Amino acid sequence: EAQVTQNPRYLITVTGKKLTVTCSQNMNHEYMSWYRQDPGLGLRQIYYSMNVEVTDKGDVPEGYKVSRKEKRNFPLILESPSPNQTSLYFCASRIYSGELFFGEGSRLTVL
Amino acid sequence: GDSVTQMEGPVTLSEEAFLTINCTYTATGYPSLFWYVQYPGEGLQLLLKATKADDKGSNKGFEATYRKETTSFHLEKGSVQVSDSAVYFCALSKGNSGGSNYKLTFGKGTLLTVNP
Repeated sequence: EAQVTQNPRYLITVTGKKLTVTCSQNMNHEYMSWYRQDPGLGLRQIYYSMNVEVTDKGDVPEGYKVSRKEKRNFPLILESPSPNQTSLYFCASRIYSGELFFGEGSRLTVL
Repeated sequence: GDSVTQMEGPVTLSEEAFLTINCTYTATGYPSLFWYVQYPGEGLQLLLKATKADDKGSNKGFEATYRKETTSFHLEKGSVQVSDSAVYFCALSKGNSGGSNYKLTFGKGTLLTVNP
């Protein structure tokens, strides 16, 4: 089954404690991206990757890092989380000219 | 920059009622337009899309027509069901070629609740 898998689905953490949200897709997609969803703001793009070792900033990259060492994985790294990063995070992937597939989301709470 | 404005919710309807969720956009060039649906506790799923003016996207009884003259892409369904209860997002994208960021610009979402 074609899917984008995120982990963890739910996480409560404290300010400053580094965390990583993993994202893996099994569709051999070149393109992957991270979004955050906040009430009243819709979804906003954090980072994207056109292919292995090729990443770039989206609209709201501050406080986040990503890496793309393998085609299937695109982890989102919060080096020093802060409460304003409390949000629902979605990973997505697509093949060029195809549909964007979303993961089920990771709900992060930073205390 | 590009933007999408959709009607604010929540929208509450009775089963079999007619649904319209308005969506207008601001963008240069010729964007592709989408409606995504998010069921409770799930990720976003593509509901329908249209890639050029006057195209009509349709799926599961939902329809939307790409109107360039009014920069709109309103979502409609003739008879909603309880199972249609979800959050609906209108979105646009201009990057569809291999060398560009396929970023979706989303509206804020509209919560639809359908009562039996």
